[in-house]
Amino acid sequence: DIMMTQSPLSVAVTPGESASISCRSSKSLLHSNGITYLSWYLQRPEKSPQLLIYQISNLASGVSDRFSGSGSGTDFTLKISKVETEDVGIYYCVQFLEVPYTFGAGTKLELK
Amino acid sequence: QVTLKESGPGILQPSQTLSLTCTFSGFSLSTYGMGVGWIRQPSGKGLEWLANIWWDDDKYYNPSLKNRLTISKDTSNNQAFLKITNVDTADTATYYCARIGIRVPYFDYWGQGVMVTVSS
Repeated sequence: DIMMTQSPLSVAVTPGESASISCRSSKSLLHSNGITYLSWYLQRPEKSPQLLIYQISNLASGVSDRFSGSGSGTDFTLKISKVETEDVGIYYCVQFLEVPYTFGAGTKLELK
Repeated sequence: QVTLKESGPGILQPSQTLSLTCTFSGFSLSTYGMGVGWIRQPSGKGLEWLANIWWDDDKYYNPSLKNRLTISKDTSNNQAFLKITNVDTADTATYYCARIGIRVPYFDYWGQGVMVTVSS
């Protein structure tokens, strides 16, 4: 199985400041078709996970452009600019390159 | 508008079989490239992918539970199902279904989840 490692596991951010979350995979997520199968989700308290970003850096429909993704191969970053109250929750990276799909342990974002 | 909703027994006893239903709208599992997956989350813990079923009835399972899982679909009624045999307390979790597609190779829409408790 591909292991997904996120860091940090928790982060406290002052509203208006930025936050970055790192995700590392145990195997390159770059497929031979040129697509990298790495997505990011946000799970707000008591809610279902919500797709934020797919294929490293593509913003899902309706998602604020304060969210951005970057990286390649095995190292990826989610950046949240100008953090707002609604950004509180747990962020997960997940690989869809091969089954079993595997999730990172999650990064809890709180406000200072 | 794509929606998914899970339903299940709520509570069941160890060794029983858990049967879950995902009822969806806004897409069809008879459409080329469409799929539905099941993911679970124990309370306060992370997400675990369980299984996928595709429009062509292709099925994939998490090897960690493979022998206990059966995924199926009813295309006419826009439903997908998951059975987990021989449950124990470790299967206590919120279970989600979500849409996935060949051209959309990630879970783009999720249900609200259904909580399942295994307890004697």
